[in-house]
Amino acid sequence: KQEVTQIPAALSVPEGENLVLNCSFTDSAIYNLQWFRQDPGKGLTSLLLIQSSQREQTSGRLNASLDKSSGRSTLYIAASQPGDSATYLCAVGTSGTYKYIFGTGTRLKVLA
Amino acid sequence: DTAVSQTPKYLVTQMGNDKSIKCEQNLGHDTMYWYKQDSKKFLKIMFSYNNKELIINETVPNRFSPKSPDKAHLNLHINSLELGDSAVYFCASSQGGARLETQYFGPGTRLLVL
Repeated sequence: KQEVTQIPAALSVPEGENLVLNCSFTDSAIYNLQWFRQDPGKGLTSLLLIQSSQREQTSGRLNASLDKSSGRSTLYIAASQPGDSATYLCAVGTSGTYKYIFGTGTRLKVLA
Repeated sequence: DTAVSQTPKYLVTQMGNDKSIKCEQNLGHDTMYWYKQDSKKFLKIMFSYNNKELIINETVPNRFSPKSPDKAHLNLHINSLELGDSAVYFCASSQGGARLETQYFGPGTRLLVL
């Protein structure tokens, strides 16, 4: 059974810092992995989708990496801004299923 | 232009009542989902439909019944509401059925059962 964990649960950083969010999963037979952002009281917005055959994906200041064999993904945010403050969730799509298993999220606060 | 919309946004009701939540997507996607996010913000899939056909049915009480009248709509009906049903319910959609692709979420429906 796939389990997805995100550490840390919460993180506060000053504006301008580069930061890394971590996602771990127990079953390496994944199809792909998505990183989402959730603002308070809002739905989820997909940031990056990384296929199992890829090592990383980039979009603007965001870079997601994937290491299937070790069951890990990281989301790197460069030059953080207060507008980046949100909860970040990773979701693992397991091969042979039609569903994503979500992590518990990291609540990020970027201080001005 | 709203891609995935849900109604109502807020729902406060008494235990034992029956309620429905509606979801519509205008993205032309084939697959739609219902997720439940509990008080600890943990998000878990409940159901998924691909072209009006049920493809995921997690261990959800049979008081919850999804209905997909067409591939742009997926509604959730809940009978005999219980306190533990209080949560935020999210609808989502994606292109493709057997492939897992980028998911687009609605704004959520906040259900409070008193």
